[in-house]
Amino acid sequence: RKEVEQDPGPFNVPEGATVAFNCTYSNSASQSFFWYRQDCRKEPKLLMSVYSSGNEDGRFTAQLNRASQYISLLIRDSKLSDSATYLCVVIRVSGTYKYIFGTGTRLKVLA
Amino acid sequence: NAGVTQTPKFQVLKTGQSMTLQCAQDMNHEYMSWYRQDPGMGLRLIHYSVGAGITDQGEVPNGYNVSRSTTEDFPLRLLSAAPSQTSVYFCASRKGRSAYNEQFFGPGTRLTVL
Repeated sequence: RKEVEQDPGPFNVPEGATVAFNCTYSNSASQSFFWYRQDCRKEPKLLMSVYSSGNEDGRFTAQLNRASQYISLLIRDSKLSDSATYLCVVIRVSGTYKYIFGTGTRLKVLA
Repeated sequence: NAGVTQTPKFQVLKTGQSMTLQCAQDMNHEYMSWYRQDPGMGLRLIHYSVGAGITDQGEVPNGYNVSRSTTEDFPLRLLSAAPSQTSVYFCASRKGRSAYNEQFFGPGTRLTVL
C-alpha cells in the first residue's frame, strides 16, 4: 500500500461545478500537508497548505482529518483554468523532513 | 529572481552514456532536492542536500551522484545511463528546516535513454 494515495481521476466537471478530492495517508507520524498543482508538462507549484483548523483561499478549501488520516481539497465554481493535476503532499519527520507525494488527481473542467 | 532553473530541458542519451543535469537557485535556500516523476508514480526523491558540502540519499539513489559545492548549485550526474532512467527530473529548493516551508520546483528535464 502506498503511503499517500489519491484517486487518479480524471474528474470531468462542467464549468461552475463544485468538485472535491480526497487524499489518504497511512503514517500517523505525518506532520504537515500541502496541495500542489501541476499543469501538463510543467513543474508542481504550491496551491495551499493544509492546517489542522482547515483553510480557505478564494474558491479553494483544504481540510485535514487526522483521526481518519485524510486531507481534502474542495474547489467551488470551477473554471476552465482549474484543469490540472492536483498533488497531495505529506511531510513526516524521518531524520529530516521527508516529502511524500501522491500520484495526483487529474481534473478536467469542461466548457 | 529566476527561482529554480534547470538545464537542459530535453535530453536523449544512449545506454551507457553519462551526463550531468544542472540545477541552480537564486533564493539562498539551504535545502535542495532532486526528484524523478514517472507515470503512475508520485515524485520520488533521488538525492537531497541540507547545505553546501552536505548531501544524502533519497528513496531511489542508485545510478545517480550529486555534489553541493555552493549554496546555489546542485548538479545531478547520471553515471551510466540505463533505459530505466527515462523520466522527468525536477530539482527543488526550500528555505530552512520548517516542515511548512514551500518547495519551489524547477521546470524539469525530460530525459530519454535509448
